[in-house]
Amino acid sequence: AQSVTQPDIHITVSEGASLELRCNYSYGATPYLFWYVQSPGQGLQLLLKYFSGDTLVQGIKGFEAEFKRSQSSFNLRKPSVHWSDAAEYFCAVGGIIQGAQKLVFGQGTRLTINP
Amino acid sequence: NAGVTQTPKFRILKIGQSMTLQCAQDMNHNYMYWYRQDPGMGLKLIYYSVGAGITDKGEVPNGYNVSRSTTEDFPLRLELAAPSQTSVYFCASSYTGTTSSYEQYFGPGTRLTVT
Repeated sequence: AQSVTQPDIHITVSEGASLELRCNYSYGATPYLFWYVQSPGQGLQLLLKYFSGDTLVQGIKGFEAEFKRSQSSFNLRKPSVHWSDAAEYFCAVGGIIQGAQKLVFGQGTRLTINP
Repeated sequence: NAGVTQTPKFRILKIGQSMTLQCAQDMNHNYMYWYRQDPGMGLKLIYYSVGAGITDKGEVPNGYNVSRSTTEDFPLRLELAAPSQTSVYFCASSYTGTTSSYEQYFGPGTRLTVT
């Protein structure tokens, strides 16, 4: 069955520090992978996506993610976080699931930034 | 384009009342989805639709109903509201086609409290 695991429920980093959010997926075929960000009280905004080609993908707001098929991982990184990056981050895997186009989401990782 | 719009933004219901959450998209997407988001649980799919007149259940459909009479609109109906339906509800849409990447576009959400 398709699933996404985000092992870290809550992460705190200092402003200016580097960030890595972990995501592991389970999917039988070539995965379409996504990272979404949700600021407090807002909807979900797409940060970046991967479905083929270069395994290192660049997104908005200075984020990047690397697809590692051997590890079934799609970790999100940012070299230097800003206070405005405080939000909840969701990893998702997409594809044809039970005959229809769907996304399966991880539980989310809440990011807190210390000044 | 307005993208995906949802109304209302907030609502308080008494136990046993009914209401309809509205969702509309102006991107001519064939797929539409309803999710609920509970703290620490990620997003759970309630219902989805692959086009006008076609709907199907997701993971957590009990207590909800949907209809899709047009491509643009996908209302979610709560009958006999219960405290367990207190949540944030998100509507999303996506398209199929040769360039589809399964990306979903989200509305801003409706925060519902049942007391």
